Amino acid sequence: ELKVEQNPLFLSMQEGKNYTIYCNYSTTSDRLYWYRQDPGKSLESLFVLLSNGAVKQEGRLMASLDTKARLSTLHITAAVHDLSATYFCAVGLTGTYKYIFGTGTRLKVLA
Amino acid sequence: SAVISQKPSRDICQRGTSLTIQCQVDSQVTMMFWYRQQPGQSLTLIATANQGSEATYESGFVIDKFPISRPNLTFSTLTVSNMSPEDSSIYLCSALFGDYGYTFGSGTRLTVV
Repeated sequence: ELKVEQNPLFLSMQEGKNYTIYCNYSTTSDRLYWYRQDPGKSLESLFVLLSNGAVKQEGRLMASLDTKARLSTLHITAAVHDLSATYFCAVGLTGTYKYIFGTGTRLKVLA
Repeated sequence: SAVISQKPSRDICQRGTSLTIQCQVDSQVTMMFWYRQQPGQSLTLIATANQGSEATYESGFVIDKFPISRPNLTFSTLTVSNMSPEDSSIYLCSALFGDYGYTFGSGTRLTVV
C-alpha cells in the first residue's frame, strides 16, 4: 500500500524567509504532483514531476524529485504572504492512473 | 489548460436524502476521478470512472452509497445516497490531461443535517 507523508504538517514563517516542505512516499512511483489549495477552494496544479532528478521552478517555488530516495521537496524562497495556503503532494501508483495524496502542509506566511 | 465545471458548489441536505454532483469537462477525457476531502484533511479517492464501464471503487467505498455515472467522455456524476452527517465533506472530481497532470473541479461542499 502506497503511503505518502508530508512534513511539516503546519508551517508558520516570516516573510522573506526560505523553507522546504518534504514529501516522502513508501513504494515505487513514476510521477509526482504538487498542488496548492486556498481555504474553501479547489486544488490548483503547481508542478508535475515525471522523472528522477526533475526540477521545476515557478516564481518563489521550486520542486524536485528523487525517485531513488522516494522523496520530493517543495522549496520556498523569500516567502510572501500570498503563498499562504495548504500544499499537497500527490504520488502516482505505478502502472495505474491513480494517485495518493499526502497529508498536506498548511503554510502561513506572517507579514 | 482544461476546465472542469462542477455543481452544485455547496448544499445543505437532510439526513436520509441523496445528492447528485455533476462534473462537465470542456474536452474529452478517458478517466475521471472522484475524491472526498473531510474538513481539515487530505483527499481520499472514492472511485475511478471510465466511460462505458462500471466505476472502480476504492476500499471503504461502495456503489450503493456512491453510485457514479459516466455517460460520455465529458461528463460524470457522483451521487451521495442515504446521507448521514458523516458524509459532510467536500467532494471533488478530477480528470487527467496528458502530461499536464490532473485538473480538479471547483468542489462541492456538502453539509448533512
